[in-house]
Amino acid sequence: KQEVTQIPAALSVPEGENLVLNCSFTDSAIYNLQWFRQDPGKGLTSLLLIQSSQREQTSGRLNASLDKSSGRSTLYIAASQPGDSATYLCAVNRGGSNYKLTFGKGTLLTVNP
Amino acid sequence: DAEITQSPRHKITETGRQVTLACHQTWNHNNMFWYRQDLGHGLRLIHYSYGVHDTNKGEVSDGYSVSRSNTEDLPLTLESAASSQTSVYFCASSEHLYNEQFFGPGTRLTVL
Repeated sequence: KQEVTQIPAALSVPEGENLVLNCSFTDSAIYNLQWFRQDPGKGLTSLLLIQSSQREQTSGRLNASLDKSSGRSTLYIAASQPGDSATYLCAVNRGGSNYKLTFGKGTLLTVNP
Repeated sequence: DAEITQSPRHKITETGRQVTLACHQTWNHNNMFWYRQDLGHGLRLIHYSYGVHDTNKGEVSDGYSVSRSNTEDLPLTLESAASSQTSVYFCASSEHLYNEQFFGPGTRLTVL
């Protein structure tokens, strides 16, 4: 059974700092991995989707990397801003005929002005 | 702009009542999903659909049903609501099964 872990559960940083959020998964046979952002009381917003054949994806100040063999992904946020404060979730897609997207429990990020 | 909407946004009901949560998307996506989000469990898949008249069970499907009569809608029905079904419910859709998923704003359901 695939398990997805995100450490730390919460992170507080000063504005302007570069930071890394971690995601690990137990079964390396994945199709892709997706990073989401969730603001309080809101739905999930897709940030980056990285295919199993890719090493990284970039969007603006965000960079996601994937090391499938070691079961790890990181989300790098450059020059953090208070508006980046949210919960960040990663989810792995097993692929195959029996669909399964497994989520981590998220990292609550607070960026202090 | 295309979007995915859910209604109601908040619902309080009593144990044993039937409840239906609506999900409507204008992306024209074939694939639609229902999740529940609970503290300590994260997001878990309830049901999903690959297209009209197709439905599939997820990991926590007991007590829930869905039907897909058109591309745009996937209503989620709780046949006999239980307190354990108090949760936040999210609907999502994707163009292809393994593409990125787009989420609705969620419905907070309380079963008393």
